[in-house]
Amino acid sequence: DAGVIQSPRHEVTEMGQEVTLRCKPISGHNSLFWYRQTMMRGLELLIYFNNNVPIDDSGMPEDRFSAKMPNASFSTLKIQPSEPRDSAVYFCASSSLPGTGQFFGPGTRLTVL
Amino acid sequence: AQRVTQPEKLLSVFKGAPVELKCNYSYSGSPELFWYVQYSRQRLQLLLRHISRESIKGFTADLNKGETSFHLKKPFAQEEDSAMYYCALSDQGAQKLVFGQGTRLTINP
Repeated sequence: DAGVIQSPRHEVTEMGQEVTLRCKPISGHNSLFWYRQTMMRGLELLIYFNNNVPIDDSGMPEDRFSAKMPNASFSTLKIQPSEPRDSAVYFCASSSLPGTGQFFGPGTRLTVL
Repeated sequence: AQRVTQPEKLLSVFKGAPVELKCNYSYSGSPELFWYVQYSRQRLQLLLRHISRESIKGFTADLNKGETSFHLKKPFAQEEDSAMYYCALSDQGAQKLVFGQGTRLTINP
């Protein structure tokens, strides 16, 4: 298995533009997590899904952020409109059984100018 | 509420010296504890799980429920250990993790 796959790896956009980040979890994993990492705030959980259903989105900062998981092998995180303070590394992670830990993707480095 | 505290943002030791990265948690139930490592500009990687009681890359961590701690230790640091280390906690039977703020470990030659 190639592990968790994220695309794009880098994204540079201008303020106001829509940004879509993509994630393919490890096959067979039933939970998917989106995180944001910044120097100031560290690693923050944005939202997570169990069996494609959003369970906890309390970490989503604002209505500008939305996430979907249309099937077990794909999820998106969308920011519309983007702002400079959204600049961060966004990680996707997946897991299977409780207690086994989460497996992270390589991240998407987002820069909003 | 679940909370993970890593009191040291930065830790610097010399090669060959012992390393201890501190992690304290607050949780009333039966937690499951993890250590993750992130090398420069790479993804987070699972390093240790307390339930497996294993040693990875020379690192060990023991869960001390009395002191609510899960410190990461290595007897002899190596330069390649330089990285960001995160302690994380989950409720037993759950998959959501609560992460500490991380400790940046630098091993000096």
